[in-house]
Amino acid sequence: KQEVTQIPAALSVPEGENLVLNCSFTDSAIYNLQWFRQDPGKGLTSLLLIQSSQREQTSGRLNASLDKSSGRSTLYIAASQPGDSATYLCAVNWNSGAGSYQLTFGKGTKLSVIP
Amino acid sequence: NAGVTQTPKFRILKIGQSMTLQCTQDMNHNYMYWYRQDPGMGLKLIYYSVGAGITDKGEVPNGYNVSRSTTEDFPLRLELAAPSQTSVYFCASSPGTDRTVEAFFGQGTRLTVV
Repeated sequence: KQEVTQIPAALSVPEGENLVLNCSFTDSAIYNLQWFRQDPGKGLTSLLLIQSSQREQTSGRLNASLDKSSGRSTLYIAASQPGDSATYLCAVNWNSGAGSYQLTFGKGTKLSVIP
Repeated sequence: NAGVTQTPKFRILKIGQSMTLQCTQDMNHNYMYWYRQDPGMGLKLIYYSVGAGITDKGEVPNGYNVSRSTTEDFPLRLELAAPSQTSVYFCASSPGTDRTVEAFFGQGTRLTVV
């Protein structure tokens, strides 16, 4: 069974700081890992997808890394802004057996960026 | 390109009533998923489907049923609604075996059972 853990559960930083969100998973046989953003009362917005063969992906101020062998991923946010305040979710796409693929989520990190 | 569309957005049910949450995707994805999200608990997989005619249970399937008669549609049926099913429900789709393509989510259905 795949378990995904995100640390910390909540984080509060002053505007302009760089920050790192952590995600770990127990089964390293993953196909890809995806980071999502969720605003209160809203759906999920995909931020970055890292394939299992990749080490990192970048999009603007966001950089996600993947170390599959150790079961870890990090999401780095540079020069944080109040508009970055949201919950960030990590999800792994893995083979659950018999050729089926599941997307398993962590509980998320709630980020608050203070102006 | 509509992506993943869920209806309704909000619903209040009385205990014991039944309803169907609709989900449609227009990306020709083989895989579709239903999740529920409770406060502070992340998303838990209810059911998923790897293609038309094939469905399988996820982590929390009790009290729900699904069907997948077409590639596009994956409805979730609640029979005999209970307060424990009060939650936000998300439908998602992905190609499944193409590791380069991300999963897409609908905007969610907020369900309250009273």
